[in-house]
Amino acid sequence: NAGVTQTPKFRVLKTGQSMTLLCAQDMNHEYMYWYRQDPGMGLRLIHYSVGEGTTAKGEVPDGYNVSRLKKQNFLLGLESAAPSQTSVYFCASSYPSGGISTDTQYFGPGTRLTVL
Amino acid sequence: AQSVTQLGSHVSVSEGALVLLRCNYSSSVPPYLFWYVQYPNQGLQLLLKYTSAATLVKGINGFEAEFKKSETSFHLTKPSAHMSDAAEYFCAVSEGFGNEKLTFGTGTRLTIIP
Repeated sequence: NAGVTQTPKFRVLKTGQSMTLLCAQDMNHEYMYWYRQDPGMGLRLIHYSVGEGTTAKGEVPDGYNVSRLKKQNFLLGLESAAPSQTSVYFCASSYPSGGISTDTQYFGPGTRLTVL
Repeated sequence: AQSVTQLGSHVSVSEGALVLLRCNYSSSVPPYLFWYVQYPNQGLQLLLKYTSAATLVKGINGFEAEFKKSETSFHLTKPSAHMSDAAEYFCAVSEGFGNEKLTFGTGTRLTIIP
């Protein structure tokens, strides 16, 4: 069981470039989340998904898009990167299919993104 | 709307001393409360959670937290700090009942003094 994995671990972009961050989970979880972590601000929810084919906005969605074409994968896209998007991005998942909600989220190791 | 306030962005304690990390919450419904720990360059790991059962919750690595509704608090404690406890700790709240979305505090960095 790999749990939640994120690709890539590090990335440097120039302003205006685009990229996609991949999150994968092998726990058969229904819900998946993307957060960003900035110094002194804790984790802020960007987008989340409550099932395959569904997505919703979180607290700070501007400048990001997401897709959940398969239950196990949740992609975060930056269409035109800006320096303000320099951050550490974490993916998480929760709620096993057919199971009971426990509200416990399981986190990936993070992606450190720098936008120059 | 729900929110979490963590008092003290940095806490230093001596090895063997009591660890106390403070968390106060605001929620319009009975909350579910969580403490997560983040070691350097890693993701977050669940320490413990309160989901309306016992008010004193025991977690991993000797940590525990007590839910106090009258004080809207969920402070994290450990009787005797160990060097390996140095990390950042996050308190979080959810509305429960399958809502699953978490609202995090800004974190407390714990330093252990040898």
